Amino acid sequence: EPEVTQTPSHQVTQMGQEVILHCVPISNHLYFYWYRQILGQKVEFLVSFYNNEISEKSEIFDDQFSVERPDGSNFTLKIRSTKLEDSAMYFCASSPEMEAANSPLHFGNGTRLTVT
Amino acid sequence: AQSVTQLGSHVSVSEGALVLLRCNYSSSVPPYLFWYVQYPNQGLQLLLKYTSAATLVKGINGFEAEFKKSETSFHLTKPSAHMSDAAEYFCAVSSYSSASKIIFGSGTRLSIRP
Repeated sequence: EPEVTQTPSHQVTQMGQEVILHCVPISNHLYFYWYRQILGQKVEFLVSFYNNEISEKSEIFDDQFSVERPDGSNFTLKIRSTKLEDSAMYFCASSPEMEAANSPLHFGNGTRLTVT
Repeated sequence: AQSVTQLGSHVSVSEGALVLLRCNYSSSVPPYLFWYVQYPNQGLQLLLKYTSAATLVKGINGFEAEFKKSETSFHLTKPSAHMSDAAEYFCAVSSYSSASKIIFGSGTRLSIRP
């Protein structure tokens, strides 16, 4: 079965550094998402993306965050200047349709980001 | 605004016992409700979903959930727990008006005692 692939599985970075998290969504999917989960807390929506633009974003997704689909297969999340509180597990997801009723999200295994 | 509340961050049951994981939702529009499961070091996997059809929804691995509008609940159950059910379970909500955004609960860790 096709999978959403995230790399790296673990990323360690110093505070203030830029970091890019990589995702390869399922090939025929059109909608892409980033979620994060701070250790011991709930999974939080960050952003959804369709047709090369952001569909919806949360309050967490401020100017430090950006997303990009640089080619036909990758979907990246960039954090411009990382803070300690950005340490979390970041999940990429994709779906063939936007309508959640018809099309559940397919999640990757996540990238654990540690900011020191 | 939509939200879900999961009662109990950790539930422990004996193998073969009933599993009951509680979820209450808040939504000003008809909700879509989901249960996802997360095994260690893996992403979230859809267990089942409610999208305004039958109120009793059957999912994978013998789990089911019942949508009760009067109680604003969507509790997850399984008649007989198996050791392989040990995982983190997340209740989630979205709606037709905000289909691109799914809001997750804080999760319930299910442990199974031999």
